[in-house]
Amino acid sequence: GAVVSQHPSWVICKSGTSVKIECRSLDFQATTMFWYRQFPKQSLMLMATSNEGSKATYEQGVEKDKFLINHASLTLSTLTVTSAHPEDSSFYICSAPNRLVPAGDTQYFGPGTRLTVL
Amino acid sequence: AQTVTQSQPEMSVQEAETVTLSCTYDTSESDYYLFWYKQPPSRQMILVIRQEAYKQQNATENRFSVNFQKAAKSFSLKISDSQLGDAAMYFCAYNQKRGGSEKLVFGKGTKLTVNP
Repeated sequence: GAVVSQHPSWVICKSGTSVKIECRSLDFQATTMFWYRQFPKQSLMLMATSNEGSKATYEQGVEKDKFLINHASLTLSTLTVTSAHPEDSSFYICSAPNRLVPAGDTQYFGPGTRLTVL
Repeated sequence: AQTVTQSQPEMSVQEAETVTLSCTYDTSESDYYLFWYKQPPSRQMILVIRQEAYKQQNATENRFSVNFQKAAKSFSLKISDSQLGDAAMYFCAYNQKRGGSEKLVFGKGTKLTVNP
């Protein structure tokens, strides 16, 4: 199997504070993880690619100083939303491919984190 | 840049009937992967089916099958014997395979309603 978890599933914070979201691969190692953002009734938009042991790669238009990504181990990537503002409120989803199985390109998704910034 | 187009924002089907969701994509690559993901109200993304571009045979997974037309860059999903639990958003996605670098590009999705 390929199970990906996220924590927390739902977080509410005050404007100006920072929030950390964790993404874990539970039964496989993931050298690469991906972070997406999804607004209501819209599709998933890739924010960044998280690489274990090296810097993340951000998509065009995504502020790397605002969305800090750390991938310190083969099973954990974190996304920190710094100085959050109401416009950062969204659903954040992570995914990871399990390279050790034949269909190693298939990405498995976490359950998502709903962020509400007041 | 690769793009994925789902031209049907919403579709509905009667329980036990068959429905086909459309997807087209644009790429200049020859080696890539295509996916259909399902997102129910829980918002958990669930893999439905996967297709390798170099395989001419259409992928099938139980009641789910695809019609992959590489030359036409078309990748439709057929759901047979639709069940109430099939109601969800369905996203078509393209994954380019190039030197270990990869990213999924999603279509805008099709909301499927299953009527009892």
